[in-house]
Amino acid sequence: EAGVTQFPSHSVIEKGQTVTLRCDPISGHDNLYWYRRVMGKEIKFLLHFVKESKQDESGMPNNRFLAERTGGTYSTLKVQPAELEDSGVYFCASSQVAGVQDTQYFGPGTRLTVL
Amino acid sequence: GENVEQHPSTLSVQEGDSAVIKCTYSDSASNYFPWYKQELGKRPQLIIDIRSNVGEKKDQRIAVTLNKTAKHFSLHITETQPEDSAVYFCAASESGGYNKLIFGAGTRLAVHP
Repeated sequence: EAGVTQFPSHSVIEKGQTVTLRCDPISGHDNLYWYRRVMGKEIKFLLHFVKESKQDESGMPNNRFLAERTGGTYSTLKVQPAELEDSGVYFCASSQVAGVQDTQYFGPGTRLTVL
Repeated sequence: GENVEQHPSTLSVQEGDSAVIKCTYSDSASNYFPWYKQELGKRPQLIIDIRSNVGEKKDQRIAVTLNKTAKHFSLHITETQPEDSAVYFCAASESGGYNKLIFGAGTRLAVHP
């Protein structure tokens, strides 16, 4: 079974630019989550999709962040315009069944550096 | 909301020794507590989890204990090996949420041969 994949693995951009991160969850997984780890701190929740619907976006820092999951398959997270404090590792995770506290499988992350 | 504190932030042991990592949580209604291991350059991987209806769970050299009254849970690794070296994260589910996990800050474990 293929795991969660993320693209790109690294991204270096300048402040004010736009970056789009992509996550492909495990096939058949209804739940898709975005998390972020900044500067060696804790992994922080950003948002949660159930299929194509945003279930919980309470962790999104501000309106510069936009997440989508069209068709309920892959998801994108766009940062526009990027700021220095957006640097960190962005993880995507997926779990199988909606409404059940199930194992979350993580992707390898995208390391974003904003200069 | 839920808050998870994890200690220590770094831990250095000799091969063969035991390692213990402790976490406390604030939301007494949390009911799911996973532990993830992240090796350098790799993805976080679930190594063990425990639900609030049990007090202890073991899987070979790894065990997790949960004290609901005190709101803390611990990871125990026995007979440590160099390949156990990694960053370990504890997490707690947020009650009333939809599977949202709240993570601790991580513990960097170094096992020296």
